[in-house]
Amino acid sequence: SQQGEEDPQALSIQEGENATMNCSYKTSINNLQWYRQNSGRGLVHLILIRSNEREKHSGRLRVTLDTSKKSSSLLITASRAADTASYFCATEIDSWGKLQFGAGTQVVVTP
Amino acid sequence: DVKVTQSSRYLVKRTGEKVFLECVQDMDHENMFWYRQDPGLGLRLIYFSYDVKMKEKGDIPEGYSVSREKKERFSLILESASTNQTSMYLCASRSGTNKQYFGPGTRLTVT
Repeated sequence: SQQGEEDPQALSIQEGENATMNCSYKTSINNLQWYRQNSGRGLVHLILIRSNEREKHSGRLRVTLDTSKKSSSLLITASRAADTASYFCATEIDSWGKLQFGAGTQVVVTP
Repeated sequence: DVKVTQSSRYLVKRTGEKVFLECVQDMDHENMFWYRQDPGLGLRLIYFSYDVKMKEKGDIPEGYSVSREKKERFSLILESASTNQTSMYLCASRSGTNKQYFGPGTRLTVT
């Protein structure tokens, strides 16, 4: 079953602009994670935010989590062409570490 | 750096063939996962394993089985490949910090 829903499905911006994408989910979570996937490759872990955290930063990434609304957002500041990729949110729902993924947001950053 | 490798990047098989996809991780992780990725559906969990010889079904196990004889190796088996199993298959292992590390993926085409 698909837990997360990302919005928008696609995003096109210019270098230097900020990119924001949102994720909504349905059930209680242990944590929420964001991953990046370059075309046709495996996923790379970007950032993890625990259910008792509200905001987290890592370099040019900022993640927020609102458990009352069951939603999260990922902000990429000062985008670069190398940020062109698909971004997925994933919720960890049990102690085994199973992740449920959304369909992803495809981001294109043009120079 | 954690390394997760998958046996093939591209694979073409015929309907009815038995298919083995292999995944190896080098970080002594307990938990390993097999996902399939289809356009518009994100990643869906097929099976996971939390220890040698231990396995649990994910969300879409039908038509698949798995084997984990050694801690570092987790194999996905398609007993009798069908065209609806054409997909990208991704293996991952989970660290103690809850991150999942993904292999590069195997793009399987069943004709």
